Amino acid sequence: QKEVEQNSGPLSVPEGAIASLNCTYSDRGSQSFFWYRQYSGKSPELIMFIYSNGDKEDGRFTAQLNKASQYVSLLIRDSQPSDSATYLCAVGRGNKLTFGTGTQLKVEL
Amino acid sequence: DAGVIQSPRHEVTEMGQEVTLRCKPISGHNSLFWYRQTMMRGLELLIYFNNNVPIDDSGMPEDRFSAKMPNASFSTLKIQPSEPRDSAVYFCASSLDGNQPQHFGDGTRLSIL
Repeated sequence: QKEVEQNSGPLSVPEGAIASLNCTYSDRGSQSFFWYRQYSGKSPELIMFIYSNGDKEDGRFTAQLNKASQYVSLLIRDSQPSDSATYLCAVGRGNKLTFGTGTQLKVEL
Repeated sequence: DAGVIQSPRHEVTEMGQEVTLRCKPISGHNSLFWYRQTMMRGLELLIYFNNNVPIDDSGMPEDRFSAKMPNASFSTLKIQPSEPRDSAVYFCASSLDGNQPQHFGDGTRLSIL
């Protein structure tokens, strides 16, 4: 079992729709949870982070965390073509982050 | 504000040569991380430093890899001798400390022929 699991996709959504990206993790001692966006040939860019159970909203992005189910998700509202990228879920314990392999999102016109 | 700065951006060299990658973290950040990204294995943590001290190097693939952080504003990752399977994108990241978000540099795309 991988430590951090994501569906590789691609996940295709029409422009203006809600994109839902999911991630599960195996370490119950995990303390911090991050979503990074990575465009092809570029470096990972921090999108959201969350530490407590529940929802955290920032603009069009909402991160959701359920520690009991070991599940973290990212919702992107009003998806735009510029959101097309690979989204990496990262789970932290202390200083150490473990990354999933990413979900490719395609927002179609 | 300047982000994490890595050099070189691209490196192409022949098998057996020594390769040195460089990183300048964000000023004030106490933790520095070296990652390697490949299509097959994704993003893997190689080593991280806290206050210039190596804390966890369990991700370093073998003795050919070494990393140093002589001061708070500079770190190197060295591969000697290099092999074709070392070809990857190497990222440096830094964070304030602990559970704080990590910020990545632009990476070094390394090709070993």
